[in-house]
Amino acid sequence: DSGVTQTPKHLITATGQRVTLRCSPRSGDLSVYWYQQSLDQGLQFLIQYYNGEERAKGNILERFSAQQFPDLHSELNLSSLELGDSALYFCASSVSGTLLSGANVLTFGAGSRLTVL
Amino acid sequence: QQQVKQSPQSLIVQKGGISIINCAYENTAFDYFPWYQQFPGKGPALLIAIRPDVSEKKEGRFTISFNKSAKQFSLHIMDSQPGDSATYFCAASPRRGATNKLIFGTGTLLAVQP
Repeated sequence: DSGVTQTPKHLITATGQRVTLRCSPRSGDLSVYWYQQSLDQGLQFLIQYYNGEERAKGNILERFSAQQFPDLHSELNLSSLELGDSALYFCASSVSGTLLSGANVLTFGAGSRLTVL
Repeated sequence: QQQVKQSPQSLIVQKGGISIINCAYENTAFDYFPWYQQFPGKGPALLIAIRPDVSEKKEGRFTISFNKSAKQFSLHIMDSQPGDSATYFCAASPRRGATNKLIFGTGTLLAVQP
């Protein structure tokens, strides 16, 4: 167990629907990252939050949004779902939001597998 | 460009052999280069990492070689074991002061045959 908790583990839904993925970071970690993993695209960075504020944005679609709450858990909202959104969505956490001297460990959760039919 | 290129896509090695995975980057602002290991059904986990001020880092059977001038780095797995069979991702992170997000390579599926 990495200490990063993601729910749900599996989710099957239909095109056009909206889903919310939840992430609880490791105890003491202030930064949360969301990644999308598909077979042909590898791990794509979506967005990063640090202590409730957006720190960096990657290849995140406008149909997707995220936030980090005061208790540091984060949610990734995916709307108007398309078949191509089927993927594994990983959350990771780290102590800092910037590169620390000698360490930059991102700890990943086990992922949420989204299937859009 | 924020890209990390990884090769090969897949690799088959005999038990006891050396596994070598290569990565190249373009952005000189990268300042931290980790390798992650992912087993089926699990999230990626940090295996070993290097900063650009050293050319090599070794941890047990795992070694990172780093060539700053060529903007390339590689993972060597010595005495490869069936338990090493997994997907390996190289990654890079921008230098201190910016976000510490990781940009990942596309992954290498390693199979170590007994």
